[in-house]
Amino acid sequence: EEQLAESGGGLVQPGGSLRLSCEASGFSFESYTMNWVRQRPGKGLEWLSWISTTSSLQYYADSVKGRFTISRDNAKNSLYLQMTSLRHDDTATYFCARDVRRGEFSVGAFDVWGRGAMVTVSS
Amino acid sequence: YDLTQPLAVSVALGQTATITCVGDDIRSKNVHWYQQRPGQAPKLVIHKDSTRPSGISERFSGSIASISGNTATLTISRVEAEDEADYFCQVWEINAYVFGAGTKVTVL
Repeated sequence: EEQLAESGGGLVQPGGSLRLSCEASGFSFESYTMNWVRQRPGKGLEWLSWISTTSSLQYYADSVKGRFTISRDNAKNSLYLQMTSLRHDDTATYFCARDVRRGEFSVGAFDVWGRGAMVTVSS
Repeated sequence: YDLTQPLAVSVALGQTATITCVGDDIRSKNVHWYQQRPGQAPKLVIHKDSTRPSGISERFSGSIASISGNTATLTISRVEAEDEADYFCQVWEINAYVFGAGTKVTVL
């Protein structure tokens, strides 16, 4: 079964840093572009970042550009999100999600999602 | 780039629910639709405007309005209680994905 599992969430103080991980299983991780999406409590979905299969290209939403960094380790079937300068409004559930198609730069729909990792930014 | 969805749609059991997603020249983009039940991760129900992923009920269909070209529609036929959820549209637009704010579907 194709699965994604996030980890690394928790409570962090404003201005702090946190690194989320997403471990893939059941599919050829290296063949798919990957994404991070978050959902603030009671709110909608917000796309954060995309990374190509070889890590040669990344895109970010304006809301996190310069503060968050997406990366991947294909040998470990893992995706990461390094978050710095965290603010109260970064409090959310963070999902990793896979593109529906194989391809180095594919920008299709998201067909496999993790269950999410909760990040709370509070003093 | 903005995608506008109605905040809420109510539909009687067994009837048809229609959820719209309005965006400038949306017909030139691939529109994707997700269902999210409370406490769960989103689930892809339609991609590339009208393609149903494997395992998704044929009661779900997607379309783009041919006249204006600015409205994508998710239609849920013969609505069941389990269809009660939030629904989000999504497109890729100039190096970023955009989600609509979501529509809460209530089954009466």
